[in-house]
Amino acid sequence: GAVVSQHPSWVICKSGTSVKIECRSLDFQATTMFWYRQFPKQSLMLMATSNEGSKATYEQGVEKDKFLINHASLTLSTLTVTSAHPEDSSFYICSAAGGPSTEAFFGQGTRLTVV
Amino acid sequence: SQQGEEDPQALSIQEGENATMNCSYKTSINNLQWYRQNSGRGLVHLILIRSNEREKHSGRLRVTLDTSKKSSSLLITASRAADTASYFCATVTNSGYALNFGKGTSLLVTP
Repeated sequence: GAVVSQHPSWVICKSGTSVKIECRSLDFQATTMFWYRQFPKQSLMLMATSNEGSKATYEQGVEKDKFLINHASLTLSTLTVTSAHPEDSSFYICSAAGGPSTEAFFGQGTRLTVV
Repeated sequence: SQQGEEDPQALSIQEGENATMNCSYKTSINNLQWYRQNSGRGLVHLILIRSNEREKHSGRLRVTLDTSKKSSSLLITASRAADTASYFCATVTNSGYALNFGKGTSLLVTP
């Protein structure tokens, strides 16, 4: 199956700093990628839909100025957590799909810890 | 927004037994997918079933879909300890293809 690579797999940062997470589709072009957040023992919550060449679409309650998404190419989307706080500590996962009736491929996830 | 609801939340069985997980959803869908997640890891796609399909098989996995009841079930037959993981259903509506995940079922298979 297709491969989506997410980097880094884990990161620890200080409060107030920014962290960038990369999501790459390695063997297919992804015009749309999705970013999810998962708190411990909970489900995945969709944060935003990343569209190549245009602005991301954010879900209700997700601050677009805090979670900056850039999808500059067909193979790369980035999520930047700006001015991170301890409550932003979570597991962030990206996914890419070829279309509405196809399976999604997930990155390995990034565990962010803000201290 | 979260749409799928799985039950049970947690399931503990012995190797060799079958495990059944159920998922209910609220709105019309294009398809429903089941994923597996090992602790702290990414998700692995298991099966996709379209809204016009009623049953699908893949190895030891069997998925059913009842659109009239807005529910789906995942059956894992002859379970193994390696099947221990969290299992999520996720729906895709006709208005987009973001996955809407349920809360998941935590499966523990003991040797």
